[in-house]
Amino acid sequence: GAGVSQSPSNKVTEKGKDVELRCDPISGHTALYWYRQSLGQGLEFLIYFQGNSAPDKSGLPSDRFSAERTGGSVSTLTIQRTQQEDSAVYLCASSYRAGPTDTQYFGPGTRLTVL
Amino acid sequence: AQSVTQLDSHVSVSEGTPVLLRCNYSSSYSPSLFWYVQHPNKGLQLLLKYTSAATLVKGINGFEAEFKKSETSFHLTKPSAHMSDAAEYFCVVSDEDSNYQLIWGAGTKLIIKP
Repeated sequence: GAGVSQSPSNKVTEKGKDVELRCDPISGHTALYWYRQSLGQGLEFLIYFQGNSAPDKSGLPSDRFSAERTGGSVSTLTIQRTQQEDSAVYLCASSYRAGPTDTQYFGPGTRLTVL
Repeated sequence: AQSVTQLDSHVSVSEGTPVLLRCNYSSSYSPSLFWYVQHPNKGLQLLLKYTSAATLVKGINGFEAEFKKSETSFHLTKPSAHMSDAAEYFCVVSDEDSNYQLIWGAGTKLIIKP
């Protein structure tokens, strides 16, 4: 079946502008995660959604970052007033549930460049 | 809190020789551990995972990893490297305290010499 999809694949923006990144998880997956990968680094957790529960926002680096998940499916990560340090690849992952044996499947990512 | 340390940022081996990518973890619990691979300009792919069953875990593309609790290690190995194995490899632990979010090592870049 279809995997996790993300759009756009690349986004170039000017400092101070807002951006929206989209994630379509695998159908039927209740858990959705956003991560950020800076150049030469491992992934950094940003935010987690599980079903209709309140999201775990503990990884968001500042209040300029927010995310929502509509209808338990598609998620949008919004970055307001972008800064150059926001430049990174933003990855979305989904899993059937959130548990120790549940594999997270990753989308191809959105490469964000802030000029 | 859980953490992961990948001991080598780069590993270079000749084609046909064994591969060893080292990973040590820190966890209060019996952890779930994963290895993911990221080929250039491609998405992350799960190689294998350990979830408290057999300590020797076999994955895709001939890779395997052994969970050693006494050494808090989860090293990735392959008997014979192929050119197509050139990629970045990430050792990952699942954080039971935080909704099973994945905690990532910094990655090891595997270079295959012809």
